[in-house]
Amino acid sequence: EIVMTQSPATLSLSLGERATLSCRASQSISSNYLSWYQQKPGQAPRLLMFDASTRATGTPARFSGSGSGTDFTLTISSLQPEDFAVYYCHQEYNLPWTFGQGTKVEIK
Amino acid sequence: QVQLQESGPGLVKPSQTLSLTCTVSSASISSRGHFWSWIRQRPGKGLEWIGNIYYTGSTSYNPSLKRRLTMSVDTSKNQFSMKLTSVTAADTAVYYCARDLSYSDSTGGGSYYDFWGQGTLVTVSS
Repeated sequence: EIVMTQSPATLSLSLGERATLSCRASQSISSNYLSWYQQKPGQAPRLLMFDASTRATGTPARFSGSGSGTDFTLTISSLQPEDFAVYYCHQEYNLPWTFGQGTKVEIK
Repeated sequence: QVQLQESGPGLVKPSQTLSLTCTVSSASISSRGHFWSWIRQRPGKGLEWIGNIYYTGSTSYNPSLKRRLTMSVDTSKNQFSMKLTSVTAADTAVYYCARDLSYSDSTGGGSYYDFWGQGTLVTVSS
């Protein structure tokens, strides 16, 4: 099983600041099978990025994704009020599909 | 807009069977390249992939649940379902159904969940 490790667990930042979220896979995966999801309290997760760096429909340009192999990053260039949420990375390269444990972005 | 809606009992007794159905709207469950998935989230925890099913009936299950899990698809009703037997309190969770879009291209292909249901809370308790 590929273990996805996200860091940090919690990111406390102010509006307008840059957020950098890390996701590390326990073995190399194709970036085509790495996606990011945003989840707000009481809501289902929402697709944010796929293929590691492609923004889903409706994802603002302030979100960007990068990485390859085992290390992937989600960056929010300037935090907006609606960005405070939990973010999960996910791999579908090897079964069983797995998620990271999530990074909570909270208001400082 | 594709919509998915979970349905099923919100309360299940320990040792019994948890049964959920996902109804898909505005998309055909028989579309090629779409796998229909179940994902759960225990209270206050992260996301756990349960398994998926293709319209042909082909399934993939999480090994941690495989002994207790059965998925099925009903193309005539545009629905897919899961049954989890011998449940315990550890199976208490919000259960989501989702569409897993899988594609092939010159780079080899990829996959991701593009649409999710709103989720349904299932509590295992006597």
